[in-house]
Amino acid sequence: NAGVTQTPKFRVLKTGQSMTLLCAQDMNHEYMYWYRQDPGMGLRLIHYSVGEGTTAKGEVPDGYNVSRLKKQNFLLGLESAAPSQTSVYFCASRYSYEQYFGPGTRLTVT
Amino acid sequence: ILNVEQSPQSLHVQEGDSTNFTCSFPSSNFYALHWYRWETAKSPEALFVMTLNGDEKKKGRISATLNTKEGYSYLYIKGSQPEDSATYLCAYDSGTYKYIFGTGTRLKVLA
Repeated sequence: NAGVTQTPKFRVLKTGQSMTLLCAQDMNHEYMYWYRQDPGMGLRLIHYSVGEGTTAKGEVPDGYNVSRLKKQNFLLGLESAAPSQTSVYFCASRYSYEQYFGPGTRLTVT
Repeated sequence: ILNVEQSPQSLHVQEGDSTNFTCSFPSSNFYALHWYRWETAKSPEALFVMTLNGDEKKKGRISATLNTKEGYSYLYIKGSQPEDSATYLCAYDSGTYKYIFGTGTRLKVLA
């Protein structure tokens, strides 16, 4: 099992560019999450999904969109990147009480 | 707005010292409290899931206690080692699919 994987690991974008971050899990988990981690802020929930075809907003959803077309994949999109979106993005999947995190994507928006 | 607070924000201890940190969370609608260990440049790794008032969990030199009535949990590390250096995160789970994370306690153990 690869667990939770994230693509890409690093990316630099210019303001206004778009990109999609991919999260994949091979554990057949229903719940998946996207977080961002900023210094002094801990992990903040962007969007989450409780099953294939469903998504919901978290704490800081503005500027992001998500899709869960397949159970194993959860995509996070930035349509028009802003410097405020410079962060480390973590994906997670959940089964019962346990949440399993991916390795993170470091995104810089200049 | 539900808030999860951790203290201290950071601390340095000498190798061999014992230490403890606090996680404070809302005492209403409690479902579970999670502790994670997070090393730099890695992803958070689950340490404990605590669900019952009075719960005590232990893994090697690390243990945790839970008081759901007053809304706090303590994490203890006995005989700290340099490899214990990490950020320790707690997350409050009200059973609504979402966790609320604290900002973490950054521990540095000096050899």
